[in-house]
Formats: sequence, structure tokens, C-alpha cells
Amino acid sequence: GIQVEQSPPDLILQEGANSTLRCNFSDSVNNLQWFHQNPWGQLINLFYIPSGTKQNGRLSATTVATERYSLLYISSSQTTDSGVYFCAVLDYGQNFVFGPGTRLSVLP
Amino acid sequence: ETGVTQTPRHLVMGMTNKKSLKCEQHLGHNAMYWYKQSAKKPLELMFVYNFKEQTENNSVPSRFSPECPNSSHLFLHLHTLQPEDSALYLCASSQGFPGQGSSGGYTFGSGTRLTVV
Repeated sequence: GIQVEQSPPDLILQEGANSTLRCNFSDSVNNLQWFHQNPWGQLINLFYIPSGTKQNGRLSATTVATERYSLLYISSSQTTDSGVYFCAVLDYGQNFVFGPGTRLSVLP
Repeated sequence: ETGVTQTPRHLVMGMTNKKSLKCEQHLGHNAMYWYKQSAKKPLELMFVYNFKEQTENNSVPSRFSPECPNSSHLFLHLHTLQPEDSALYLCASSQGFPGQGSSGGYTFGSGTRLTVV
């Protein structure tokens, strides 16, 4: 099956800093989704991004499916950005396979 | 409110108990999913329902029994669980299967944090 890797596993930032999270996947996919899981366990859909670039406020994402990676950019980070960021890619069974996540801590 | 509601939010049960988790989606989606999230492990897909029909069962032990009476409701019936079943159980829904011409991906509920004692 498809393997999904995320880096870095942990990231600590000072408020206001920028960061880039990376998702690598082992095979061609035609869909990818980024999620943010807040400290209460809620998984929030950030981007549904099979290819190209999307932006939503301070967040943006780029997927290069032919090179099997996606990047999530967080600019001017805030303490509310803390949590775990997951990417998920579609497997051959048409279900999302989740990566292990990047745990982000933004310090005031 | 994300459009997917899970109850209860927290559940503590003994190994001999029987309990059920409930998920309801208000988005008009036709596919629903159960995921398990254990500490320090990736989310694991448990069950998939498409138009009330189960289409995926990822080798889940029979002590977990899903039920999907209609496309808006999904249950997970639990009985004789083990302590290692303690985890966050997440429900999700989608309009069709992502990738099959659907316009978006998954929407998740807030989860039920289950502790088996």
C-alpha cells in the first residue's frame, strides 16, 4: 500500500515565525488532504489539494503529485496553530491513508 | 459545529460492558467512516460505508460491530473490549469517495475518547 511520511515529526516555533511542513508519499496519488488536529482532538480539514497551490489566510499548500510531495506553509504563526498536522493521500481502495503527523507547538 | 456530530465525547467502560458510539452527519454526504487513533500511531481506517453498504472492513476484531441504518447515521457497537482498545474514535463523512469526482475530502467529527478499564 501507499506509504506516507511527514517531516519534521515535531516543531517548536516562536509566535510570529513561519514554517514549512512536508508530506512525502510513495506512489502516485490523485488526491491529498491536509488536516489540523487541535488539542481537543478535533480534526479540521485545511486543504483538499490533489495538485497545485491553494491559499487560505496565513496558510497555503502546494502539491506536486508527479514528484510525490506536498508542502504546508504557515506564516506568522499563532499559538492557536498548535496541534498536530496530518496529510492524507488516497490509496487504491479509494480511502485516505494518513501520515504520522507533525506536532507543532507555537510559543507565546 | 463541523456538520459531523459524535456522541458521547468521552466514554469509560469495563471490559464486560456493551456500549455504542454514535455519529450523525448533517452535510448530505453518502459515505461515512470510522477511524481509530491510538497514542503515537497514525489514524487507522476501521470501516467504510457507502450509501449504507459496508464496503471496507480493515480486519477489525469482531468486538467492534458497525451499523449504518441510513446515510446520515453511523454507529459503532462495542462489547468485551480490551484495554488496548482505548483510543480516540473518529467518524468522518464525504460526498462520494474522494477522487471519484467528488468536490472535497473528508469532514471529521470531534471524536469519542474511549477508555477501557
